[in-house]
Amino acid sequence: DQQVKQNSPSLSVQEGRISILNCDYTNSMFDYFLWYKKYPAEGPTFLISISSIKDKNEDGRFTVFLNKSAKHLSLHIVPSQPGDSAVYFCAAFRSNFGNEKLTFGTGTRLTIIP
Amino acid sequence: DAMVIQNPRYQVTQFGKPVTLSCSQTLNHNVMYWYQQKSSQAPKLLFHYYDKDFNNEADTPDNFQSRRPNTSFCFLDIRSPGLGDAAMYLCATSKRGGSDTQYFGPGTRLTVL
Repeated sequence: DQQVKQNSPSLSVQEGRISILNCDYTNSMFDYFLWYKKYPAEGPTFLISISSIKDKNEDGRFTVFLNKSAKHLSLHIVPSQPGDSAVYFCAAFRSNFGNEKLTFGTGTRLTIIP
Repeated sequence: DAMVIQNPRYQVTQFGKPVTLSCSQTLNHNVMYWYQQKSSQAPKLLFHYYDKDFNNEADTPDNFQSRRPNTSFCFLDIRSPGLGDAAMYLCATSKRGGSDTQYFGPGTRLTVL
């Protein structure tokens, strides 16, 4: 039962353009969402997060949008740079459940074309 | 630099031969996690320690055990590895747990022959 879904396994974007990575979730109890970025041979690193009380969070070139009614979030990267080429994981957390479990999606491999 | 270190980076074992994976951290974080990630799948939490308190996920097989002898170190023991246990094993830490940012090590790729 995949509660966090990233339906696009890969995405290619021209350098300088906008990259949009999508994530859907099924559990309406999730109230905190994160994006992690993973380079080959390295562990995932935290990129940006959003609480369910917000619909947008911005950090430099990275913006995460949350649509609770659609159970959908997206990560926008603008402008895209070659160093953004990586696998991006969406993750969700249920803060009142009393456990520590982050539920991850399967990842989207982003390739920025110079 | 403060970090999460995993050793070895690559581990090959034989079917049924016990194996131990190691994780250490210099972040002085309270919580340490072990994830299993199979090819093209999402990382899956196996268990975590909050300080010395061990928390096992309900669907983690008994074949997987863990030890945390002190704040800095955590071990994953696979008692009798099967072919299905071949995966990347990721260790992570967070300061307080909950929704606190998790910091991941580079992972250990386990091959079972």
